Amino acid sequence: SQELEQSPQSLIVQEGKNLTINCTSSKTLYGLYWYKQKYGEGLIFLMMLQKGGEEKSHEKITAKLDEKKQQSSLHITASQPSHAGIYLCGAVPQGGSEKLVFGKGTKLTVNP
Amino acid sequence: EADIYQTPRYLVIGTGKKITLECSQTMGHDKMYWYQQDPGMELHLIHYSYGVNSTEKGDLSSESTVSRIRTEHFPLTLESARPSHTSQYLCASSEYRVVPRPDTQYFGPGTRLTVL
Repeated sequence: SQELEQSPQSLIVQEGKNLTINCTSSKTLYGLYWYKQKYGEGLIFLMMLQKGGEEKSHEKITAKLDEKKQQSSLHITASQPSHAGIYLCGAVPQGGSEKLVFGKGTKLTVNP
Repeated sequence: EADIYQTPRYLVIGTGKKITLECSQTMGHDKMYWYQQDPGMELHLIHYSYGVNSTEKGDLSSESTVSRIRTEHFPLTLESARPSHTSQYLCASSEYRVVPRPDTQYFGPGTRLTVL
């Protein structure tokens, strides 16, 4: 079955610092999603990547999918306290499916 | 921002009670989903629906049931709540795409259920 490993599990950074969160799949992906979750709340959609080598940006957040479509990274530039939360990657297995598989998340703390 | 709503946001009830968690979306999405999420754990799909009168079980076994009588509404019911049902329940919806492109799921704010 599809498994997603996220690293690190938690991350504490000083405001203004850059950071990277990784998501690695055991199998080739059909699509890879990044979501952000505030504690106890729902998931906010950030970006979806489908093509190998694809890169998307939204404000100060950039996500990339590697050529083999098995690893994605989320990069935040000049982090702010508003970036704090849990970042989750979700994936659709190769062949397509309505069933998203999620990683366990990376908890990001940004200290002012 | 997605227009998907869940009520109640928080619920504390006693063992044995029947409860219904409400989920509504105003985006006209055909597909809807229910996920269960325990603290520090990944989301697990418990139910989903392709459209009206369609319901399917997800990957995680659940004692809950769902119904889809209207496109916009996908309630989840527990006939007899137990402490093991204590969790966060998240509802999501997505368009049904004919072209080979993954659907983007949009999530509601969640219901945090505590069964005493």
